[in-house]
Amino acid sequence: QKEVEQDPGPLSVPEGAIVSLNCTYSNSAFQYFMWYRQYSRKGPELLMYTYSSGNKEDGRFTAQVDKSSKYISLFIRDSQPSDSATYLCAMSGGSNYQLIWGAGTKLIIKP
Amino acid sequence: KAGVTQTPRYLIKTRGQQVTLSCSPISGHRSVSWYQQTPGQGLQFLFEYFSETQRNKGNFPGRFSGRQFSNSRSEMNVSTLELGDSALYLCASSQGVTDTQYFGPGTRLTVL
Repeated sequence: QKEVEQDPGPLSVPEGAIVSLNCTYSNSAFQYFMWYRQYSRKGPELLMYTYSSGNKEDGRFTAQVDKSSKYISLFIRDSQPSDSATYLCAMSGGSNYQLIWGAGTKLIIKP
Repeated sequence: KAGVTQTPRYLIKTRGQQVTLSCSPISGHRSVSWYQQTPGQGLQFLFEYFSETQRNKGNFPGRFSGRQFSNSRSEMNVSTLELGDSALYLCASSQGVTDTQYFGPGTRLTVL
């Protein structure tokens, strides 16, 4: 079993819908949680960064961390075709600061 | 500020050959990490360099090696290429080893 599980999709939704992307993890030592967005033929770019539990909002994006369930989510409101990309979760914590990555979810927003 | 640059962007090699990939970090960044990305596997950590020293290494065979120069530029080398080495190789730089990583566009390696 992988340390971080993420459904690879693809997830296809109509423009304007609310999108929910999720990752589960097994290591309870993880404290730092990140979401990266990767467009085709580009490297990943940091979208959201959360420390420990709770919510963080940035424009149309909200990141949630539920450490009791070992579950993190990224919500995208009013989704746009330009949000079509692969979204990767990454996390770290404990004795190793190295990021552990999910496989990435391919998101398609249909106009 | 210029972003992370990687050269070449695309590479085609045959089995048994070796390849060298180059990464120039953002100016002022001293940490460089390398990742292998394949469909379904996500990003697999290869190694990390800070001030010319390898700080961390992932679970890859010894055919994968790297180094960092005094100007923080980094290279990775893969010897005796195998078909399974076909992947996107990403380089990321950060100011320090625990700081936010900024990625380059990657080098797409195809092994025939």
